[in-house]
Amino acid sequence: GAVVSQHPSRVICKSGTSVKIECRSLDFQATTMFWYRQFPKQSLMLMATSNEGSKATYEQGVEKDKFLINHASLTLSTLTVTSAHPEDSSFYICSASGFGYEQYFGPGTRLTVT
Amino acid sequence: AQKVTQAQTEISVVEKEDVTLDCVYETRDTTYYLFWYKQPPSGELVFLIRRNSFDEQNEISGRYSWNFQKSTSSFNFTITASQVVDSAVYFCALSGREEGAQKLVFGQGTRLTINP
Repeated sequence: GAVVSQHPSRVICKSGTSVKIECRSLDFQATTMFWYRQFPKQSLMLMATSNEGSKATYEQGVEKDKFLINHASLTLSTLTVTSAHPEDSSFYICSASGFGYEQYFGPGTRLTVT
Repeated sequence: AQKVTQAQTEISVVEKEDVTLDCVYETRDTTYYLFWYKQPPSGELVFLIRRNSFDEQNEISGRYSWNFQKSTSSFNFTITASQVVDSAVYFCALSGREEGAQKLVFGQGTRLTINP
């Protein structure tokens, strides 16, 4: 149980375009979802926390107008990187949490902006 | 603020050696959780263990063991008789109310290489 999927697993897009990443909890209801970014050889950095039906809470330094997060249902959250630039190239990981402290991580999405 | 420090950036050992990965944390919470995750080259995080702050018993799971010591704010991870498949980046993480319940603060990670 407690499986989280992400789609796509890899995406290449051109500079200036937008890309959407989906995060789904497959067998449980996720009241909270988290989005992380991981640059090569670095740790995971929390970008934002989203609760179903509410606006996401962004960490300091994360542009909310650039990284749009929608958590419209208890099983789906989306991250849209708008007007992507090469510096947005990174590994994006989501996690989902039900009613406890446990976070279940998705397999990640590798974004490359050319 | 909560903080997790993994001072060992990279460790390289020969197969079958024992290896310990250090993790030191800071928090003002009295109730908190500590985690270890493994990140193989594929990138997917693999959950290894969760320990709450009230449970200081050491844990053993096969070749893996964890030593939690509140007195030194450490939660170290030992792999006994290491194998090549243990090669990965290992992250220690902390969650507690100080940063908001459920939010995980990760250490910088330790890249472990097991050589045949």
